[in-house]
Amino acid sequence: NAGVTQTPKFQVLKTGQSMTLQCAQDMNHNSMYWYRQDPGMGLRLIYYSASEGTTDKGEVPNGYNVSRLNKREFSLRLESAAPSQTSVYFCASRQLSTEAFFGQGTRLTVV
Amino acid sequence: GESVGLHLPTLSVQEGDNSIINCAYSNSASDYFIWYKQESGKGPQFIIDIRSNMDKRQGQRVTVLLNKTVKHLSLQIAATQPGDSAVYFCAENRVTGGGNKLTFGTGTQLKVEL
Repeated sequence: NAGVTQTPKFQVLKTGQSMTLQCAQDMNHNSMYWYRQDPGMGLRLIYYSASEGTTDKGEVPNGYNVSRLNKREFSLRLESAAPSQTSVYFCASRQLSTEAFFGQGTRLTVV
Repeated sequence: GESVGLHLPTLSVQEGDNSIINCAYSNSASDYFIWYKQESGKGPQFIIDIRSNMDKRQGQRVTVLLNKTVKHLSLQIAATQPGDSAVYFCAENRVTGGGNKLTFGTGTQLKVEL
């Protein structure tokens, strides 16, 4: 039982490149989330998904797209990376209104 | 504590003392609240939660207090230990058209001095 798994763990991109951050959970949770965390800051919600096929914008959605491929997987895509998107990205999952379980994060640097 | 620019507010306590970490939440419609602990380089870990129909909940060495009138949460840690050193975040849940939206406060750095 791995919980929430994020790949990759580290990534360096050049400005303008695209990439997809992957997240998968094996807890049969309905809800999944993507957050970003900048140094010395809290977690800011990018997008969330209540179930397969549904997504909704969070606090900072600009520059990102998401896809809830199935119940297990929720991916985050940067179409044209910018230095302002340098951050640590966390994926989380939960069952309705209960505690959320987090992955170990993806450290992204855009140069 | 309140967020100031890019610097997390810091609470320094002596080992063995009690710690109180405060959080102001933003939305009166929030129905569920969670405290998380985050150690350096790791994802947040659940500590304790409370629903909006309660004003106090106790766990092992931790207590969460909820004051809905002033939209305030606090986390009390009894007999603080060096292993409690971390950043602590409160999170609030609100039901929206898109599902259960979970947003976080800015966090407080707890430093335990020996």
